[in-house]
Amino acid sequence: QSALTQPASVSGSLGQSITISCTGTSSDVGGYDFVSWYQQHPGKAPKLVIYDVSHRPSGVSDRFSGSRSGNTASLTISGLQAEDEADYYCSSYTRSTIYVFGTGTKVTVL
Amino acid sequence: EVQLLQSGAEVKEAGESLKISCKASGYSFPPYWIGWVRQMPGKGLEWMAFIYPADSDTKYSPSFQGQVTISVDKSISTAYLQWTSLKASDTAIYFCARGITGTWDHWGQGTLVTVSS
Repeated sequence: QSALTQPASVSGSLGQSITISCTGTSSDVGGYDFVSWYQQHPGKAPKLVIYDVSHRPSGVSDRFSGSRSGNTASLTISGLQAEDEADYYCSSYTRSTIYVFGTGTKVTVL
Repeated sequence: EVQLLQSGAEVKEAGESLKISCKASGYSFPPYWIGWVRQMPGKGLEWMAFIYPADSDTKYSPSFQGQVTISVDKSISTAYLQWTSLKASDTAIYFCARGITGTWDHWGQGTLVTVSS
């Protein structure tokens, strides 16, 4: 099972919006609603920010939103803030009844 | 409060065995799954394996099948990840996570495993 494809890095200025893509296949991202996104700050454990493609857990800022088109899921961060600078990973359930992560995206706030 | 408390950092030599743990508290152990994730130095996250504590059903990612073993002790709400013969390439941080219907919502703090050759 190959990792899902994400851009290595995305940057944006304070207050801007950025979008991170996560491309898979019909056997994972495009075939199931179990797509989630995780934020990881250096030296910390991952934190769930989006689940089931577009749902936001309690306590997560509404600046985070998720969507999907075909085999590509996307995470949008609006009103970019300094604390959003982190690594972001998508994850999807797969036809093999296991899960797979994306390659990861480093978000830099300019 | 839901917590997953992992065992402390380990320093081992190649060829040694190791078992690390993940103790759950603040929720009913079943019906949630426990998953294990590897993060090698400076690299991304990789799903390794998953276990359903209610019946110990296990699923391994192909890359980790035969390389590690996961288990659970329901009586103490603890999941385990073990190796019989460590390699230098097993040096990484290992995270456990709680999951249900595709959502992995709580994570342990991570266990750093260092294997010297």
